[in-house]
Amino acid sequence: GEDVEQSLFLSVREGDSSVINCTYTDSSSTYLYWYKQEPGAGLQLLTYIFSNMDMKQDQRLTVLLNKKDKHLSLRIADTQTGDSAIYFCAESAGNMLTFGGGTRLMVKP
Amino acid sequence: NAGVTQTPKFQVLKTGQSMTLQCAQDMNHEYMSWYRQDPGMGLRLIHYSVGAGITDQGEVPNGYNVSRSTTEDFPLRLLSAAPSQTSVYFCASSSASHPTYEQYFGPGTRLTVT
Repeated sequence: GEDVEQSLFLSVREGDSSVINCTYTDSSSTYLYWYKQEPGAGLQLLTYIFSNMDMKQDQRLTVLLNKKDKHLSLRIADTQTGDSAIYFCAESAGNMLTFGGGTRLMVKP
Repeated sequence: NAGVTQTPKFQVLKTGQSMTLQCAQDMNHEYMSWYRQDPGMGLRLIHYSVGAGITDQGEVPNGYNVSRSTTEDFPLRLLSAAPSQTSVYFCASSSASHPTYEQYFGPGTRLTVT
């Protein structure tokens, strides 16, 4: 399958912005997603971006897509302790998803 | 709606034992999938189904069987458990008609094979 890569860990202070990065390889992906996993729970869809868009903003979340470099990022403004979780990017071929390894975000008070 | 449910939440098996992980969804979704999650490796697709009676292999199918006799249920069978199958298993479902193909995940089953 295609590889989706993320850095393993990010630590920020409460109130700062967090930026989580992801690179993917399948240029035919229709949608790219960000999922959030809280401790002991399954994954929940946080946001997504259609492949013909460059940016999507949803309250504190901003998704940037650079198709030329196959680079996806998630920016969380005013990061809160409740944002501490593992964040997965994923690319799709229809209903099948390929996930990155996940980035653990730690928010310090 | 209960969404996607999985049982059991935790399971310990001895090497060579078999068992079935249960998954059910009440959203009338056509697509169902099984993933395993290992540290630093994200989720890897084991098997998936595009509808009742239709299943296919994902990235890591060896040692696992599935069947899809109804739209609601998609059990995962471990034929002869091995320590390499120690993992957290997630079931997911999605609708073929949903424009963004959003997948809904169950809470997971944590399996330890000794």
